[in-house]
Amino acid sequence: ETGVTQTPRHLVMGMTNKKSLKCEQHLGHNAMYWYKQSAKKPLELMFVYNFKEQTENNSVPSRFSPECPNSSHLFLHLHTLQPEDSALYLCASSPVAGGLENIQYFGAGTRLSVL
Amino acid sequence: AQKVTQAQTEISVVEKEDVTLDCVYETRDTTYYLFWYKQPPSGELVFLIRRNSFDEQNEISGRYSWNFQKSTSSFNFTITASQVVDSAVYFCALSEWETSGSRLTFGEGTQLTVNP
Repeated sequence: ETGVTQTPRHLVMGMTNKKSLKCEQHLGHNAMYWYKQSAKKPLELMFVYNFKEQTENNSVPSRFSPECPNSSHLFLHLHTLQPEDSALYLCASSPVAGGLENIQYFGAGTRLSVL
Repeated sequence: AQKVTQAQTEISVVEKEDVTLDCVYETRDTTYYLFWYKQPPSGELVFLIRRNSFDEQNEISGRYSWNFQKSTSSFNFTITASQVVDSAVYFCALSEWETSGSRLTFGEGTQLTVNP
């Protein structure tokens, strides 16, 4: 148990659906991250939030919309996805963003399949 | 540009064998951190170790040991007397300031399978 909980663990959606991924951390951290993990590719950083403010958007398509209502919760709203968006979506948290030494703690991910 | 290379895509060993996972990194920064994470089949990345660029001492934690050599830009990970529960994907990662503002750059991972 890493202290970072993601729900749902598995999600199947059609290209016209709207769904949301949820991440919650119980570590008292102030930075939260979304990563995409596709087969045969390194982890790709998508978004970074620091004290609820988005500090990084790594050229992510607008069909992915993040939301961070407080430092403990992070959402990823999905709309009109493509089959190539099928992947494992990982959430992470760390004390703050921008610290070289920061250890990021990860959730177990949401395995997304887009049909 | 920063880069982390894990040349071994897959490794398969028999239980109790020792195994070394290689990690080579590229950076122009003088101050940086290196990490290893383990990803078991359940999916979450589990933090294993963090090492800063000024500390080249090798580290041992139980059956795990890490060899950091700045001269060869390598940060290799050895599991001694491997066990089936060690089967996972292992990621090496780099955090640097000047080039990437402390963003974590991950290698592509090494899938380790330990057979009984």
